[in-house]
Amino acid sequence: NAGVTQTPKFQVLKTGQSMTLQCAQDMNHEYMSWYRQDPGMGLRLIHYSVGAGITDQGEVPNGYNVSRSTTEDFPLRLLSAAPSQTSVYFCASSYVWRGGTEAFFGQGTRLTVV
Amino acid sequence: AQKVTQAQTEISVVEKEDVTLDCVYETRDTTYYLFWYKQPPSGELVFLIRRNSFDEQNEISGRYSWNFQKSTSSFNFTITASQVVDSAVYFCALYCHNQGGKLIFGQGTELSVKP
Repeated sequence: NAGVTQTPKFQVLKTGQSMTLQCAQDMNHEYMSWYRQDPGMGLRLIHYSVGAGITDQGEVPNGYNVSRSTTEDFPLRLLSAAPSQTSVYFCASSYVWRGGTEAFFGQGTRLTVV
Repeated sequence: AQKVTQAQTEISVVEKEDVTLDCVYETRDTTYYLFWYKQPPSGELVFLIRRNSFDEQNEISGRYSWNFQKSTSSFNFTITASQVVDSAVYFCALYCHNQGGKLIFGQGTELSVKP
């Protein structure tokens, strides 16, 4: 059981380049999220999805796009990378029951924009 | 609005000392869950505990214990007899009812345990 798989693990981009961070889960969870981690700021929500075809913005969505065409996949797209997007990115897959939640995180992607 | 505050940015202790990591949360919801995660130097997030808002019993798991107090909106984490392997960044997080699986994280506390 792979859980949540994020690729790549490391990436260096030049300013203005675009790329897609991949996230896949094999637990049939409805909920998936993307967070970014910056020093002193914890993890902040970028975008999230409550099911295939449904996405919404989190706290820091600017500069990122997402789509959820299948339950399994939730890619995060950087349209035109900026140095401010240098961060560690985590994808999470969650299931929810009667008001509670259990989140499973990918291994993270360390992105550097130069 | 929901918010989680971990006021301690960095803590440094010597091995075998006890250490408490503070977590204060804000929410108007009556149904919510609180979490602690550990992030070791390898970078992954490791789930430690989940507590719901209706259960204020303290919990102990080996050297780890958690003190949940709704009166002060706090969910503090104590490590007894700390070890070098406890060195990590620790995050407190909040989930409010029907929030689509979204977690709200505190800023994190970096714990350094020196031999």
